[in-house]
Amino acid sequence: QQQVKQSPQSLIVQKGGISIINCAYENTAFDYFPWYQQFPGKGPALLIAIRPDVSEKKEGRFTISFNKSAKQFSLHIMDSQPGDSATYFCAASPLSARQLTFGSGTQLTVLP
Amino acid sequence: GAVVSQHPSWVICKSGTSVKIECRSLDFQATTMFWYRQFPKQSLMLMATSNEGSKATYEQGVEKDKFLINHASLTLSTLTVTSAHPEDSSFYICSAPAGSYGYTFGSGTRLTVV
Repeated sequence: QQQVKQSPQSLIVQKGGISIINCAYENTAFDYFPWYQQFPGKGPALLIAIRPDVSEKKEGRFTISFNKSAKQFSLHIMDSQPGDSATYFCAASPLSARQLTFGSGTQLTVLP
Repeated sequence: GAVVSQHPSWVICKSGTSVKIECRSLDFQATTMFWYRQFPKQSLMLMATSNEGSKATYEQGVEKDKFLINHASLTLSTLTVTSAHPEDSSFYICSAPAGSYGYTFGSGTRLTVV
């Protein structure tokens, strides 16, 4: 019940295309859903996060779509750039300051 | 704001020795620190949760006598890998809840045991 399932495992997109990564969860107590970007040899960096009281959040080229009834959320990267090539992790936590449960990660490659 | 400084970035040690990794919260008080381990091309695996002034809580399967965690102040948490062996080689990352900034992560420590 604590799992967060992430897909796809890897994704190759042409420059300028849209990258879409999906996550699904089971624990209805989760109320914080962040996405992290990680470059090799670095710690994860927060990209964007959403709480279940909204269905969508947009920050620049990054958008989270959230479907509470389906217990799914996704990350959309518009106008993908080679610099976006990294590993992306979705995560979830039940309450503030509680531990995050991470998805398995998606390795994104944006071709120039 | 909400920066966690993690040191060292990388360390190589001989088998049987101990290594200490430090995480400092620079501009906020970290009452809780999470310690993760990450193998190549894998997700982050929570090892333990430390709270300032109390004993750490370890996840199932994590040897508490091998991975010693100290959280003696609101700005410093340390992870000591004792009697390190090659199988302990990994990427270790700390993270702290940082209010409106969500969870902030350290930059990670690459440990190689030879």
